[in-house]
Amino acid sequence: EDKVVQSPLSLVVHEGDTVTLNCSYEVTNFRSLLWYKQEKKAPTFLFMLTSSGIEKKSGRLSSILDKKELFSILNITATQTGDSAVYLCAAVTSGTYKYIFGTGTRLKVLA
Amino acid sequence: DGGITQSPKYLFRKEGQNVTLSCEQNLNHDAMYWYRQDPGQGLRLIYYSQIVNDFQKGDIAEGYSVSREKKESFPLTVTSAQKNPTAFYLCASRNTGNSNQPQHFGDGTRLSIL
Repeated sequence: EDKVVQSPLSLVVHEGDTVTLNCSYEVTNFRSLLWYKQEKKAPTFLFMLTSSGIEKKSGRLSSILDKKELFSILNITATQTGDSAVYLCAAVTSGTYKYIFGTGTRLKVLA
Repeated sequence: DGGITQSPKYLFRKEGQNVTLSCEQNLNHDAMYWYRQDPGQGLRLIYYSQIVNDFQKGDIAEGYSVSREKKESFPLTVTSAQKNPTAFYLCASRNTGNSNQPQHFGDGTRLSIL
């Protein structure tokens, strides 16, 4: 059965800290891995990772995929209170482009 | 502005009642999806449609039905057969013409039982 596991389930940090969120997957016909940020309502897209070892970066956020060890990490440096959210990762299957989501990591950044 | 509109934002269902959640997109996307989100369980796929007049069951389709008569619209009906419908429902769409395009989500509908 395809599955995606995220850790930790929740995390509380102070502004300025650096955090690393983990996502491991076991998916047949793996195509890519995506990260989303969900505050109150709609998940918003952060990154799509298809190739191993190539870091994607957007401001203070960065992510990388390891297709040999079947995991991805999302790093957030110099955290701000606005980074407080649930971070979801999803593995995408080839062919059907079905998304398999993890349960999410709830991040709370304290001022 | 282009986007996905879900309505209503909040919905209450009585026992034995069917309710329909609306999802409309003006992004010209071919594929549309319905997910259910419960606390601690992430998003689970209910139904999806890759093209007008065609749709497939996802992982938890029992107690739900959909239609796809127009490209822009993909309504979800929660039937009385769904015994535990209380959840947050998210609709998404994707541009199938580009394999590197992600799914985009609406703001969701929160359904509760009266």
